[in-house]
Amino acid sequence: GQQLNQSPQSMFIQEGEDVSMNCTSSSIFNTWLWYKQEPGEGPVLLIALYKAGELTSNGRLTAQFGITRKDSFLNISASIPSDVGIYFCAGKHMDSNYQLIWGAGTKLIIKP
Amino acid sequence: ETGVTQSPTHLIKTRGQQVTLRCSSQSGHNTVSWYQQALGQGPQFIFQYYREEENGRGNFPPRFSGLQFPNYSSELNVNALELDDSALYLCASSSFRGGSNSPLHFGNGTRLTVT
Repeated sequence: GQQLNQSPQSMFIQEGEDVSMNCTSSSIFNTWLWYKQEPGEGPVLLIALYKAGELTSNGRLTAQFGITRKDSFLNISASIPSDVGIYFCAGKHMDSNYQLIWGAGTKLIIKP
Repeated sequence: ETGVTQSPTHLIKTRGQQVTLRCSSQSGHNTVSWYQQALGQGPQFIFQYYREEENGRGNFPPRFSGLQFPNYSSELNVNALELDDSALYLCASSSFRGGSNSPLHFGNGTRLTVT
């Protein structure tokens, strides 16, 4: 099935570092969502974006809906150990009211 | 507020068998979606139910079917199981009003292993 291009695939960072990941699509989306998934659990919604150019924060997390409507990024500032997990981007096409298209995830690992 | 709950958490089946997975949606939500997540991949959309009818379907064969009940809970049925059906099956609920869906809230999934 269709997937978004999400990068990087994994990140090894030191506690306290900032993190940046992004997602691109070949088609236009009208919604971008960022989820986090931990082992044994379902994805948990972090940030929802509905307008091109929109910049939204949730604590140390900031995400933006790209101007072209074909990309989005997620930044995490001053990472802490509980940030470890897999981060997924997901998007919804303009002509779909239900189907989310997902990236393959970015695995965040924090070095002790 | 009660979240999305799924049962069972784990299941092992043999190729060719049938399986039923269950989901209770978050209170206040009227729409249920099912996703299949293979290891190391993002979820893939199977279908969505609203008002007890399927109102959207991804690229999955007819042996994947579902039901939504009046209390908005849902079932996913898979017939003639294949080895490639081994995956985490995620249920998500949302609120469909005014022509659009609220963001999905997911359960913790059912891990299905087909041997």
